[in-house]
Amino acid sequence: ETGVTQSPTHLIKTRGQQVTLRCSSQSGHNTVSWYQQALGQGPQFIFQYYREEENGRGNFPPRFSGLQFPNYSSELNVNALELDDSALYLCASSFEINSPLHFGNGTRLTVT
Amino acid sequence: QKEVEQNSGPLSVPEGAIASLNCTYSDRGSQSFFWYRQYSGKSPELIMSIYSNGDKEDGRFTAQLNKASQYVSLLIRDSQPSDSATYLCAVNLAGGATNKLIFGTGTLLAVQP
Repeated sequence: ETGVTQSPTHLIKTRGQQVTLRCSSQSGHNTVSWYQQALGQGPQFIFQYYREEENGRGNFPPRFSGLQFPNYSSELNVNALELDDSALYLCASSFEINSPLHFGNGTRLTVT
Repeated sequence: QKEVEQNSGPLSVPEGAIASLNCTYSDRGSQSFFWYRQYSGKSPELIMSIYSNGDKEDGRFTAQLNKASQYVSLLIRDSQPSDSATYLCAVNLAGGATNKLIFGTGTLLAVQP
């Protein structure tokens, strides 16, 4: 059974650019969530997708958007990058909406 | 008041001792409670989930939930240096429609050999 995989592992972007982060859910999981973890903080909920539809969103601006594909893989897109977007971005999948989350290894984004 | 509060630590315990990690939450409607372990530079790893009042044991780990006091704790028996990590408490506020977890800032545990 493969776990949650994310790519890339590290990324450096310039302020104002756009970035796409990718995630493959654990086999059999139909729900994917994205979290942002700043240094020294706990992860913060960005949004969740269930069967290709967004079904929950945290306090993040519209320049944070996502997609879930029929094979339950997912993307997180961030437009007009700001310095404060520098963080570890975590993808997590679960078997069903209320099942425990299992996190991928994350993507470390640095915005300069 | 933060939605999920943890003491940031560091909590230092000697090898073989019991480590006690605590967490309080603000929303009485919370349904699900989780403990994650996060090593430095790594992603969170699920250790325990607990949904009803009382204790839940899994190996060296025991989670305790008291909904009346809005309190959840994690006990680690026979602590090992490999247990040194940040422990994140997470609470599901929605309890149904969305698996939105609210995390505390984490408690750094240091187990001294």
